[in-house]
Amino acid sequence: AQTVTQSQPEMSVQEAETVTLSCTYDTSESDYYLFWYKQPPSRQMILVIRQEAYKQQNATENRFSVNFQKAAKSFSLKISDSQLGDAAMYFCAYRSLSSNTGKLIFGQGTTLQVKP
Amino acid sequence: GAGVSQSPSNKVTEKGKDVELRCDPISGHTALYWYRQSLGQGLEFLIYFQGNSAPDKSGLPSDRFSAERTGGSVSTLTIQRTQQEDSAVYLCASSLVSSGEYEQYFGPGTRLTVT
Repeated sequence: AQTVTQSQPEMSVQEAETVTLSCTYDTSESDYYLFWYKQPPSRQMILVIRQEAYKQQNATENRFSVNFQKAAKSFSLKISDSQLGDAAMYFCAYRSLSSNTGKLIFGQGTTLQVKP
Repeated sequence: GAGVSQSPSNKVTEKGKDVELRCDPISGHTALYWYRQSLGQGLEFLIYFQGNSAPDKSGLPSDRFSAERTGGSVSTLTIQRTQQEDSAVYLCASSLVSSGEYEQYFGPGTRLTVT
């Protein structure tokens, strides 16, 4: 069974600085998707960024980028020029391509605090 | 268009009572998921519906939990004889189809508190 681990329960960053959130996963599959979701206090999960395992190029979305190391099964999220609105809980998630359901397997989450 | 909606937003119930949680997916989305977010267990998959196919109930924690999806749209998650460990946020998500590349869109969740 696949597992996702986020080893940082809490992180903090100064506004305008850069922060990296860590995620590791365990799988025997070769094709899958990885995601980072943001959950603000409103509870609504918002997709931040997605990475297809077969793509070697790291995904980027504006200030958000990932460092995907397939062999190491590592998938970290870098937030550049941090803004107060980035404060939230961040979840790393795995999605198998061999599963019919497409269900997401989540890590435990990292709470990010942004200091003004 | 409208996103995924869930009701109620918050629910407080007494131990032993039954509760129903509702999810309205995005129109046209054939895949629907329920997840539970609790302090002890994190975010965990509960159940999945895809069109008219049999649902995947593999994540339901006990037989007190059940769900249905009527007409391929609205879904109801029912918890019978609620226990304190059922206290959690229940999140619903929908997707155009269940294939991996399609994004799951989440609702705001229902916070269930069992007293």
